[in-house]
Amino acid sequence: LAKTTQPISMDSYEGQEVNITCSHNNIATNDYITWYQQFPSQGPRFIIQGYKTKVTNEVASLFIPADRKSSTLSLPRVSLSDTAVYYCLVVNTGFQKLVFGTGTRLLVSP
Amino acid sequence: EPEVTQTPSHQVTQMGQEVILRCVPISNHLYFYWYRQILGQKVEFLVSFYNNEISEKSEIFDDQFSVERPDGSNFTLKIRSTKLEDSAMYFCASRPGLAVTDTQYFGPGTRLTVL
Repeated sequence: LAKTTQPISMDSYEGQEVNITCSHNNIATNDYITWYQQFPSQGPRFIIQGYKTKVTNEVASLFIPADRKSSTLSLPRVSLSDTAVYYCLVVNTGFQKLVFGTGTRLLVSP
Repeated sequence: EPEVTQTPSHQVTQMGQEVILRCVPISNHLYFYWYRQILGQKVEFLVSFYNNEISEKSEIFDDQFSVERPDGSNFTLKIRSTKLEDSAMYFCASRPGLAVTDTQYFGPGTRLTVL
């Protein structure tokens, strides 16, 4: 499974756009990139998933360059309630489990 | 929106005791999981379950652990003889289809405290 590297923490203010970049240099052809969010004392929650280029849903956008060695989760206009840990995961179609890293702790301030 | 539910929310037990953590996955989901998260650490995969048998398990999931789907709705994790290091949040998850890229839906977790 490809290893992921993302910043340990990020700070932002309400209303700003937040971009969290994840590096996955050893990503394989049949790997997908998935992002989860986790609030304290809660289970992880799926945010978005993509294979290449750009994916957008009602919560976030995911940008994946052509070489797929990195990806960027973009959260538009964050609010205080977006304070959480964000995990970048590489999901391999040959494995049934999710492998979590340490994630990025995002703190949104007023 | 359907949710994964887990009971109890918090379980306190003495070292050496058996505990059973319970989960009700989302109806019609096919794959079931247990993960754990020791305080301040990563979420770790324990086991996946499909078609009434274990699909994959991690090194953590040793002989002290077992899983069962006793009926059409519940999915349980049993720890036979708890150790102090078993103290953690235990998350159940379920997935609707066979594709690993299908979203996994996590429950709220059970906090297990072993004294």
